[in-house]
Amino acid sequence: EDKVVQSPLSLVVHEGDTVTLNCSYEVTNFRSLLWYKQEKKAPTFLFMLTSSGIEKKSGRLSSILDKKELFSILNITATQTGDSAVYLCAVEASSGSARQLTFGSGTQLTVLP
Amino acid sequence: KAGVTQTPRYLIKTRGQQVTLSCSPISGHRSVSWYQQTPGQGLQFLFEYFSETQRNKGNFPGRFSGRQFSNSRSEMNVSTLELGDSALYLCASSRAGVSGNTIYFGEGSWLTVV
Repeated sequence: EDKVVQSPLSLVVHEGDTVTLNCSYEVTNFRSLLWYKQEKKAPTFLFMLTSSGIEKKSGRLSSILDKKELFSILNITATQTGDSAVYLCAVEASSGSARQLTFGSGTQLTVLP
Repeated sequence: KAGVTQTPRYLIKTRGQQVTLSCSPISGHRSVSWYQQTPGQGLQFLFEYFSETQRNKGNFPGRFSGRQFSNSRSEMNVSTLELGDSALYLCASSRAGVSGNTIYFGEGSWLTVV
């Protein structure tokens, strides 16, 4: 059974801090790993990672994948209160031609002013 | 460009009733998948449709069903509702339905079963 584990489950930091969120996975026939940000609504797409060692960046957020060690990290620098959300890691594994994501339980990030 | 649109956004149903939720994918997206999100179980895959065909189904009872129309719009149906079906139901779409294309989510339909 495919498995995605995120850590920590929750994190409280102050504005300006840097945070690292972790995601490890055990899946058969890995295709891609996706990060989403969820506030009290739909998960918003952040990154899709398919290749090891290639960092993806978007403003203060960055992410990298290690397919050998089966994990990914999401970094947020100079955090702001607007970064407070649940960050979800999802892995897409091969299931024939179908698309299916297996999600971790998420990391609840709270950024205090 | 409009995002994934789900209707209704909120609904309350009574145990034993049935419910139908609708999803319009992003224009040009042909893969539509459905997820259930609950505080206890997190986000769980229900099923995925591509070109009106169900390609994969998650581990949910037969009370959960869906379909996709020729315009890629999708509906999911839950019959004989149980209290445990109370959840946020999320629809997601992607272009061409193959790996490597980003999966985008709608804002969800909040279902409360009383």
